[in-house]
Amino acid sequence: DTAVSQTPKYLVTQMGNDKSIKCEQNLGHDTMYWYKQDSKKFLKIMFSYNNKELIINETVPNRFSPKSPDKAHLNLHINSLELGDSAVYFCASSQVDGGTQYFGPGTRLLVL
Amino acid sequence: GESVGLHLPTLSVQEGDNSIINCAYSNSASDYFIWYKQESGKGPQFIIDIRSNMDKRQGQRVTVLLNKTVKHLSLQIAATQPGDSAVYFCAEGSGGSNYKLTFGKGTLLTVNP
Repeated sequence: DTAVSQTPKYLVTQMGNDKSIKCEQNLGHDTMYWYKQDSKKFLKIMFSYNNKELIINETVPNRFSPKSPDKAHLNLHINSLELGDSAVYFCASSQVDGGTQYFGPGTRLLVL
Repeated sequence: GESVGLHLPTLSVQEGDNSIINCAYSNSASDYFIWYKQESGKGPQFIIDIRSNMDKRQGQRVTVLLNKTVKHLSLQIAATQPGDSAVYFCAEGSGGSNYKLTFGKGTLLTVNP
């Protein structure tokens, strides 16, 4: 059973489109995160949610909107995609805010 | 190969040797440190962690050392195996009510058979 899962694994789309990435964790964790990993492998936090409440928003453009329908899911919607949004996006979860984070397999987004 | 153009620090070792991967962290208020392993095409995988009230912690074939005086963290892998080839990240945790992990640059470890 996959602990943290993301869909889709690959996403290729045109500039200007709107797309969503979904994340689910079956670990019973309270806190979920979105990270962006660029082409140089640099990993940076974007958002964190604790029990469906936004805790961290790291100066991400407001084209990115996370949504947490329940504490097991944290989806990421991206409006008006730009070339610079091409990256690998990772979802993670931790039992509590500040606990060890467990990562999903990543979504590879390519904007053409 | 995957390392082309990445400009990551790299470490190349022979199978069976011990590996030491180093990390300098920036925030003296950080109280939690984690090492992650990321294999090609996969997400970061937790290896070992250490709290700031400790200076050494051991796991299976891995040891993490923390030197708070010089803000330095290291990961030692004993008897390195080809399956250990990956990018290794250190991360520091801080923030109180807005707790977050800040990741280091990553080191590419290549194990030669």
